[in-house]
Amino acid sequence: GAVVSQHPSWVICKSGTSVKIECRSLDFQATTMFWYRQFPKQSLMLMATSNEGSKATYEQGVEKDKFLINHASLTLSTLTVTSAHPEDSSFYICSARDGSDEQFFGPGTRLTVL
Amino acid sequence: QKEVEQNSGPLSVPEGAIASLNCTYSDRGSQSFFWYRQYSGKSPELIMSIYSNGDKEDGRFTAQLNKASQYVSLLIRDSQPSDSATYLCAVNPRRDKIIFGKGTRLHILP
Repeated sequence: GAVVSQHPSWVICKSGTSVKIECRSLDFQATTMFWYRQFPKQSLMLMATSNEGSKATYEQGVEKDKFLINHASLTLSTLTVTSAHPEDSSFYICSARDGSDEQFFGPGTRLTVL
Repeated sequence: QKEVEQNSGPLSVPEGAIASLNCTYSDRGSQSFFWYRQYSGKSPELIMSIYSNGDKEDGRFTAQLNKASQYVSLLIRDSQPSDSATYLCAVNPRRDKIIFGKGTRLHILP
C-alpha cells in the first residue's frame, strides 16, 4: 500500500506554545488528506479534511483557529496546534488517499502538553 | 442510528479458531468498504477493501459484503496471538470522507 509519514512521532511542549505536525505522502500524490485525533482507549475522531490548494473543512466542534491546517502541495499537509493546553494532549494521526477510495494512515504523533 | 456500527467487544477467540467481526452501516448508497487493524498505541493499518457483494479473500482474511442487508464482515482464519488488536470497519458513503466504526477489540487466547 501507499506510504504516509508523519513528523515528529512524539512531542512534548509547554502550555501556551504552538506545535506543528507534518504529514507527507511518500510515493503518491494526495489531493486529500485527513487529520484525526484519538484519546486513550477511545475511537478515532476526524478533525478536518485537508484539500490541496484550498481551505480545510473542519468537523463540527473543532476550532479552526486553534488547529491550523495547511495543504500546500500534493505531498504535504501540516497541522499546527496553536496555544496548546494539557487537554490537547492526544494522538494525532493523518491519512491520505492515493487517488482510489483507499485511505492510508501515517504512524501518528503523540502530543503531550505540560 | 449510527452510520457505522460495530460490537465493541472484547471478542475472545482461541488460537487457531476463526474470528468473525461484524459491521452494519446505514447509508444504502455506500460503495466502498474497508477493514483496518489498529494495535494499541499505533495508527490504523488497512488490511482489506471490498467493493462488490460476496467474499474477498486475502491470505487468512476474508471480507464479506452484503449490500442488501447493509452488512460487512471480516473473518480471520487460524487466528494467531498477533491478530489481537482493534478492528475498525470503515465505509465510504460519499467521495469526500470515510466513516469509521468505533472498532471491535479482538483478543486471541493462546
